[in-house]
Amino acid sequence: GENVEQHPSTLSVQEGDSAVIKCTYSDSASNYFPWYKQELGKGPQLIIDIRSNVGEKKDQRIAVTLNKTAKHFSLHITETQPEDSAVYFCAASRPTGNQFYFGTGTSLTVIP
Amino acid sequence: DSGVTQTPKHLITATGQRVTLRCSPRSGDLSVYWYQQSLDQGLQFLIQYYNGEERAKGNILERFSAQQFPDLHSELNLSSLELGDSALYFCASSVGPGGDYGYTFGSGTRLTVV
Repeated sequence: GENVEQHPSTLSVQEGDSAVIKCTYSDSASNYFPWYKQELGKGPQLIIDIRSNVGEKKDQRIAVTLNKTAKHFSLHITETQPEDSAVYFCAASRPTGNQFYFGTGTSLTVIP
Repeated sequence: DSGVTQTPKHLITATGQRVTLRCSPRSGDLSVYWYQQSLDQGLQFLIQYYNGEERAKGNILERFSAQQFPDLHSELNLSSLELGDSALYFCASSVGPGGDYGYTFGSGTRLTVV
């Protein structure tokens, strides 16, 4: 089955700096890659996603890039703010899309 | 509020007991997914129902079972509970039979087995 690895497990940045979280996947058939943000005491919330026919997608301060050949995708957060502090999960899904394979999460702390 | 409702929010029970977790999907969503989140295993897919029928099964133990009712709400039943079953249990929903437009997660049920 699919194996998703996520790095780093923890990340601290100064407010205003950029943060980058990287994930790799093993199943070349995976074609959908969502990113979720989980705040303390809440469920994961979809923040951005990308499909395998696209190399990059942006939404304000958040961007995701995908390299299908290398089987890796990354989340980029620019101009970080304290409210960006949370645990971020990447995931991969096959075309049938029944289940997501999640990475182990990155705990991001933005220091004011 | 994500629109996915899970009850109860917290549950404390003893080993060997049985509990039922409930999930109401977002209005219009036909699929319900159950995930277990523990510190050492991360988010693990348990099972999916689509419009009342089981559609996909993941790492769900035989002691666990689920169903989706005609009104589309779902219940996850956990029996013969062990200490290792302590975790956050999330329900998610999506419109179609696949999650390839993303899931919407509920806030979860924190289960503590003592």
